[in-house]
Amino acid sequence: DQQVKQNSPSLSVQEGRISILNCDYTNSMFDYFLWYKKYPAEGPTFLISISSIKDKNEDGRFTVFLNKSAKHLSLHIVPSQPGDSAVYFCAASAPNQGGKLIFGQGTELSVKP
Amino acid sequence: DTEVTQTPKHLVMGMTNKKSLKCEQHMGHRAMYWYKQKAKKPPELMFVYSYEKLSINESVPSRFSPECPNSSLLNLHLHALQPEDSALYLCASSQKDRPGLAGGVLYEQYFGPGTRLTVT
Repeated sequence: DQQVKQNSPSLSVQEGRISILNCDYTNSMFDYFLWYKKYPAEGPTFLISISSIKDKNEDGRFTVFLNKSAKHLSLHIVPSQPGDSAVYFCAASAPNQGGKLIFGQGTELSVKP
Repeated sequence: DTEVTQTPKHLVMGMTNKKSLKCEQHMGHRAMYWYKQKAKKPPELMFVYSYEKLSINESVPSRFSPECPNSSLLNLHLHALQPEDSALYLCASSQKDRPGLAGGVLYEQYFGPGTRLTVT
């Protein structure tokens, strides 16, 4: 049972435009969400996170939106740059789970010049 | 400095070999993690150490044996592995693990570059 789902395995965007990556979850106990970026042959790099008490968190070009009623979050990258091309994972955490993160399957973003 | 280092970068081992993966962080983090990642799949948690004590074992086979000698080091000892154990092994650390509802704060996990393991 996949508790965190990223239904789009890939996304292609033109440089300068907005990239929107989506993530859905099923476990209502999740109350903290993170986005990681991963280049081939490297470990995931933390990007941005959001607590369930918020519906938006912004850091530079990256904004994460959380819709708790829909159990949906999205990562917006504006403007997209070729260096953003990577696999993006969303991850979720629940209380009393010892820091365990549940990851989605990932979305491969390609930003074309 | 948010660096987690892992050695070796690549490892090829036979099914009868014994080898170890090493992970190090100098950020003062008190929680350390081992993850396994297969191609085109997300990372899957294997073990969590909190304050040098094993706090989570995700029903990992005993051929994987973790060890935390001190707060900066995390090892994963490998013995009698199977070809299906071939994967990228990722180490991560965070300031501390999730304190639970009372604390309500999650400390972001920082990942190392991984060890690419091939079992022949």
